[in-house]
Amino acid sequence: SAVISQKPSRDICQRGTSLTIQCQVDSQVTMMFWYRQQPGQSLTLIATANQGSEATYESGFVIDKFPISRPNLTFSTLTVSNMSPEDSSIYLCSASQGMRDTEAFFGQGTRLTVV
Amino acid sequence: GENVEQHPSTLSVQEGDSAVIKCTYSDSASNYFPWYKQELGKGPQLIIDIRSNVGEKKDQRIAVTLNKTAKHFSLHITETQPEDSAVYFCAAAMSGGSNYKLTFGKGTLLTVNP
Repeated sequence: SAVISQKPSRDICQRGTSLTIQCQVDSQVTMMFWYRQQPGQSLTLIATANQGSEATYESGFVIDKFPISRPNLTFSTLTVSNMSPEDSSIYLCSASQGMRDTEAFFGQGTRLTVV
Repeated sequence: GENVEQHPSTLSVQEGDSAVIKCTYSDSASNYFPWYKQELGKGPQLIIDIRSNVGEKKDQRIAVTLNKTAKHFSLHITETQPEDSAVYFCAAAMSGGSNYKLTFGKGTLLTVNP
């Protein structure tokens, strides 16, 4: 299984600012994903981070609000831009070998509070 | 797109009893069904999964069954222990292609009472 590390683990941010969350995997993976989980709720996929190309966003999520980078097969970042209190949530990074090996593993999450 | 329904939303059992959580999915093309356990303040942990070419899979006290015809799958935990208390999520995906992504159920809060 892949070990996924996220930084920061939590943060409190002022509205209008941006936060970049880092995700590091201990091995090369085919696919990386970013999820949002609001307190007591399920996981909602924000986007699939594609290595060397633009991320693929799910309905309701846009690149200007959630820019994503994936410079290589082990690292990705998610930025939450121009934050508002509604962005307070847990953000989770996930990785999978995708086509070859379908198990998806998760980081411990980043708990974001916007004040 | 895929839609996954999960029941019950909360489940309370006595230590030593069995717990069953059920999920249904809508897309007959889905062929991969994992279960995750999420403890408070942690990320989801994969505990067991099943692929559509298998009807049942067991790993110690945990088992998963799949009925492709009815499009439902279930998680069975036997001899429950207090450390099994957590939120459990089922998910469905169509693996084997570039469009692989998981769709999650809403979760079940399992409480095992000592």
